[in-house]
Amino acid sequence: EAGVTQFPSHSVIEKGQTVTLRCDPISGHDNLYWYRRVMGKEIKFLLHFVKESKQDESGMPNNRFLAERTGGTYSTLKVQPAELEDSGVYFCASSQGTGTGKQFFGPGTRLTVL
Amino acid sequence: EDQVTQSPEALRLQEGESSSLNCSYTVSGLRGLFWYRQDPGKGPEFLFTLYSAGEEKEKERLKATLTKKESFLHITAPKPEDSATYLCAVQAGQTGANNLFFGTGTRLTVIP
Repeated sequence: EAGVTQFPSHSVIEKGQTVTLRCDPISGHDNLYWYRRVMGKEIKFLLHFVKESKQDESGMPNNRFLAERTGGTYSTLKVQPAELEDSGVYFCASSQGTGTGKQFFGPGTRLTVL
Repeated sequence: EDQVTQSPEALRLQEGESSSLNCSYTVSGLRGLFWYRQDPGKGPEFLFTLYSAGEEKEKERLKATLTKKESFLHITAPKPEDSATYLCAVQAGQTGANNLFFGTGTRLTVIP
């Protein structure tokens, strides 16, 4: 069974540019989560989709971040315009049941904003 | 405010030297406590779920325990392949809150 995949693995952009991260969850997993780890800090929740609906977006830092999950399959996280403090590793996770803490994580996308 | 604190930050053990990692938490309405393992360049990998004080779970050389204030991850006779960062996370609050709240992790190195 294929795991959660994320693309790209690394991205280096200039401040003010736009970047789009993609996550493909495990097939059949209705729940998809985005998390972020800023250097030296803990992994922090950004948002949660159930199928194509946003269940919880309380962790999104500001309106420069836009997440979508069209058709309830893959998801994208767009940062526009990127700021220096957006640098970090962005993880996507998926789970079968809503409410479970047993989540399957992708390898992450390392974003560097210069 | 919900808080998850892990200690120590880093731990070096000789192969076969048993030890414990600590995760203390202050949350409103614990729904579950989770242990994950993370290898360099990879995402966290699920290990255990604990729901109530007194509960224990075991897997190979790892055993997780839970009290009302903290959880321990006991590592018995570790091997070099156990080297990784171990993350503790909680789910708390109202039923709709499904996200995980992580600690900063303990980086374990097991020396042959």
